[in-house]
Order: sequence, then C-alpha cells, then structure tokens
Amino acid sequence: NAGVTQTPKFQVLKTGQSMTLQCAQDMNHNSMYWYRQDPGMGLRLIYYSASEGTTDKGEVPNGYNVSRLNKREFSLRLESAAPSQTSVYFCASSEAGPANYGYTFGSGTRLTVV
Amino acid sequence: RKEVEQDPGPFNVPEGATVAFNCTYSNSASQSFFWYRQDCRKEPKLLMSVYSSGNEDGRFTAQLNRASQYISLLIRDSKLSDSATYLCVVIRGRGYSTLTFGKGTMLLVSP
Repeated sequence: NAGVTQTPKFQVLKTGQSMTLQCAQDMNHNSMYWYRQDPGMGLRLIYYSASEGTTDKGEVPNGYNVSRLNKREFSLRLESAAPSQTSVYFCASSEAGPANYGYTFGSGTRLTVV
Repeated sequence: RKEVEQDPGPFNVPEGATVAFNCTYSNSASQSFFWYRQDCRKEPKLLMSVYSSGNEDGRFTAQLNRASQYISLLIRDSKLSDSATYLCVVIRGRGYSTLTFGKGTMLLVSP
C-alpha cells in the first residue's frame, strides 16, 4: 500500500545548486501534481500532468521544470536553487481530474536552500 | 475577497466537545468541494467530499451553503486524535489548475 512515494525526504542545498525531486505512484492514476507549502501561504500548485506525456504550469512554475517520465513517475527539477525555494514540496496524484476523486499526497520533501 | 478563506485558529476544545469550522469561497461558479486533514509535518489526507445535500461520515458532517458561499465541517464528540489542521478545497471548474486549497484551520483537542 505504498501510494505516492517521494524522495528524498529532506535536502539542504546551497544557492545555485540543482536537484531533482522524485515522485512515483502505484495506483495507476492518470494525473500527477507538484505543490509547495509555505507557512501562511497554503498549498500552491507548481506544475501538473493531466496524463502521461503532458505537463502544464500551475500557479508558481518559475524556477522549476518537470518531467512525466511514464505513467508512474513525475519529477520536479530545480535548476539553480534560490533561498525563496525553501519549502515543503508535496507530490500528489489523482485517478482523473481533481474534481472527481480528490488527491493522494506523498509524504513530502523538506527542502532548505542556504 | 480572497478566493478561499479559513479562520486559521487555533480552535482549542476539550475532548467530547462539538466544534465547527467554516470555509468561504468567492467564486459563485465553484463546483466541487472537499475537506482534507493535515497532521503536523505530514501530508494532507482527504477527509471527505462535500455534497450539495450535505453528508456525514461518523462523527464528521460536511455541509455546503451555495447562497452564502461557504462550506462547513462539524466534528462531534472530539477526540485527542482529531487535533490537526483542516484544509478546505474549492474547485472552480474542470481544469486542473482550478483547484484552490484554503490555508487551513488548526484544531487542538485537549484532555
């Protein structure tokens, strides 16, 4: 019953470094999402993938890129990390669009950029 | 008016109490509504959908008031384990980016 698995759980980066956050789901869901959660800001959508082979920008895409590698995996890349990207990152998936079934979230990645 | 608004709390209640939270939304065309629960330093988890006619799941009751544009969550007989932050979710349309999370209401249940 893995659901949505995110790696790593914690990461500290120096400004300017790059990294990729990994996400995989085993529920055969079509749609996948990346959110960031900051104190006082709530959850904000970075990118989403409605189905395998498609990706689209969300509310706060600047500084990020994504890859939908296959139906199971959706990665988030920070090319040149900035302190403003310090946040908790959540990957989520849903069977279809968000209106139908809600989301299943991964356990999150706590990223600190110094 | 913000798209989705919640009282951040915290709501401090004793075990066994009944507590209710509201979540207001600004777009009258909003179509779907959910409540999520998020424990400290954990991921959000779907608690329940909110249907037009209202719905109940054990001690939890969710209601929608379209005229006044708010949804509510009622928790009866509060347990210590109900302590968490409750997030409302409002979906404006069918597009994937039309979903908005509220910032959450914190509930603290004490012995």
